[in-house]
Amino acid sequence: GAVVSQHPSWVICKSGTSVKIECRSLDFQATTMFWYRQFPKQSLMLMATSNEGSKATYEQGVEKDKFLINHASLTLSTLTVTSAHPEDSSFYICSAARLAGNTDTQYFGPGTRLTVL
Amino acid sequence: QKEVEQNSGPLSVPEGAIASLNCTYSDRGSQSFFWYRQYSGKSPELIMFIYSNGDKEDGRFTAQLNKASQYVSLLIRDSQPSDSATYLCAVIPGGADGLTFGKGTHLIIQP
Repeated sequence: GAVVSQHPSWVICKSGTSVKIECRSLDFQATTMFWYRQFPKQSLMLMATSNEGSKATYEQGVEKDKFLINHASLTLSTLTVTSAHPEDSSFYICSAARLAGNTDTQYFGPGTRLTVL
Repeated sequence: QKEVEQNSGPLSVPEGAIASLNCTYSDRGSQSFFWYRQYSGKSPELIMFIYSNGDKEDGRFTAQLNKASQYVSLLIRDSQPSDSATYLCAVIPGGADGLTFGKGTHLIIQP
């Protein structure tokens, strides 16, 4: 159990285009999903928290108009990188929270590697 | 700023020995603590979570939490070459939902 999928697994795009990444919890309902970004040899950095049916909460320094998040259902959240630039090239990983014991445990998707040319 | 600190390593341990990974965190309000394993180019996979002081064992893994010292550790018994990976300590700070990660410790199990 606790399987999270992401699509696509990798994408290459031209500078200025928009890219949409999907995150799905396959065998459980997740009221909260999270989007992280990981640059090479760095740790994961939380970008935003996404709650079903409400606006996402963005971390300081993350542009909400550039990284659009939609959480339309209990099993799907999408991240759209608008007008992507080479500095947006990174490994984007989503997670979905599921109650385990007394705490919400996050299970990660396989990640999407974005390369902007 | 809420921080999670780990020694980046590499930590080299002979096969069959105990690997000990350490982590400290700055936010005293933190309630939930996690260890993830990440192989190169892959996303993190959950090993264990702990939220009470003391030890928690799961197979070859034991997590230890000391909230007074703001310290979390992970012990891996009977280390195997397949345990070679980067181990990420993660914390949910007080009042937050998302995880704050350490930079990870690169563990190498030598056959």
